[in-house]
Amino acid sequence: GAGVSQTPSNKVTEKGKYVELRCDPISGHTALYWYRQSLGQGPEFLIYFQGTGAADDSGLPNDRFFAVRPEGSVSTLKIQRTERGDSAVYLCASSLWDRTPGANVLTFGAGSRLTVL
Amino acid sequence: AQKVTQAQTEISVVEKEDVTLDCVYETRDTTYYLFWYKQPPSGELVFLIRRNSFDEQNEISGRYSWNFQKSTSSFNFTITASQVVDSAVYFCALSGQGGSEKLVFGKGMKLTVNP
Repeated sequence: GAGVSQTPSNKVTEKGKYVELRCDPISGHTALYWYRQSLGQGPEFLIYFQGTGAADDSGLPNDRFFAVRPEGSVSTLKIQRTERGDSAVYLCASSLWDRTPGANVLTFGAGSRLTVL
Repeated sequence: AQKVTQAQTEISVVEKEDVTLDCVYETRDTTYYLFWYKQPPSGELVFLIRRNSFDEQNEISGRYSWNFQKSTSSFNFTITASQVVDSAVYFCALSGQGGSEKLVFGKGMKLTVNP
């Protein structure tokens, strides 16, 4: 697609429920990233994929969070037993892979706003 | 550990004024990358510039200019003759420790340009 697409744009759920957030990256972008942005803060890294594998998942806050990218394109961020503190905007980004470490330029989606009541 | 500080949280200016957004970073890496992203009300962060640690030459792109000074660990961003469309939240970011792909962002600075 022309840009990074994220669905849903808004999700309201109840505490304890399971949530899935989807990201469709730019075609041809091999790297995919998930960030979380709380109100008034900068984005915080969660996980990134190079192809199908999670190259770095050190930002996932706990084992309730999991992400997959089974075919190296679309990715799903899964949150189990949601808590009120999970409320935030979840941003997905993708990039062409720049072999120089740390140099990747990210293209972000508009985000999925999650509200846990 | 990597750290980015954007001391200003919010600035309001009148159209055509110049405005400078400050960014100070901390890293022990000798090789690193610095970025600026813009987040308009629509929510999508938009890439503005990337600068590597070995290139201290200032850069100008239209009304935008960037001043990178390693000696003070700063990477400041100036908008000349601001316009209403410049209203957004601006984020400075630093590449992850050891060249890791996890960008470290500052808290952002909200710029409002009034007509």
